[in-house]
Amino acid sequence: EPEVTQTPSHQVTQMGQEVILRCVPISNHLYFYWYRQILGQKVEFLVSFYNNEISEKSEIFDDQFSVERPDGSNFTLKIRSTKLEDSAMYFCASSNSPGQGGYFGAGTRLSVL
Amino acid sequence: TQLLEQSPQFLSIQEGENLTVYCNSSSVFSSLQWYRQEPGEGPVLLVTVVTGGEVKKLKRLTFQFGDARKDSSLHITAAQTGDTGLYLCAGEAFFTSGTYKYIFGTGTRLKVLA
Repeated sequence: EPEVTQTPSHQVTQMGQEVILRCVPISNHLYFYWYRQILGQKVEFLVSFYNNEISEKSEIFDDQFSVERPDGSNFTLKIRSTKLEDSAMYFCASSNSPGQGGYFGAGTRLSVL
Repeated sequence: TQLLEQSPQFLSIQEGENLTVYCNSSSVFSSLQWYRQEPGEGPVLLVTVVTGGEVKKLKRLTFQFGDARKDSSLHITAAQTGDTGLYLCAGEAFFTSGTYKYIFGTGTRLKVLA
């Protein structure tokens, strides 16, 4: 069964460093999403991406965050200068159409020290 | 601020019992999804409901979308230990501005005891 894959599974970084989280969505999907889940809290929407541009972003997704689809398969989330409060599980998801939910990857655990 | 409140937060039941989990909001959603999440993994999509009053069945799981598309329920019949997990509802809300928003519920942690 096709799946969304995320790498790395765990990323440890120092505060102020840049990190890039990588995702390979399901190949025929057109809509891509990033979510985050701080430990013990609910899943929060960060950004959605369609047709090579951001469709929607939440208030969490500030200037420190950016997304890119550098080629036909990868979808990346970059955090320019990490803060302690960026520590969380980051989930990538993809779907065939909006409003139909998403297929989630297993997540990347980001630990900012 | 839009919120999706789930109840109960925690539920521990014996195998074979029935249960219902609720997902409520004061906001209208164009669609609503239910997910199940295991520890250390991403949410797994169970179902999407779109039409007010819609009922969908997935084996022993029955999902209902409220008539006004503000709430939903998940009913599990004859729970099994394999049903243990975190159940999440998530809503998609479209705005007249053309923007949309995805909101996850607070989650219901279900434990089914043998």
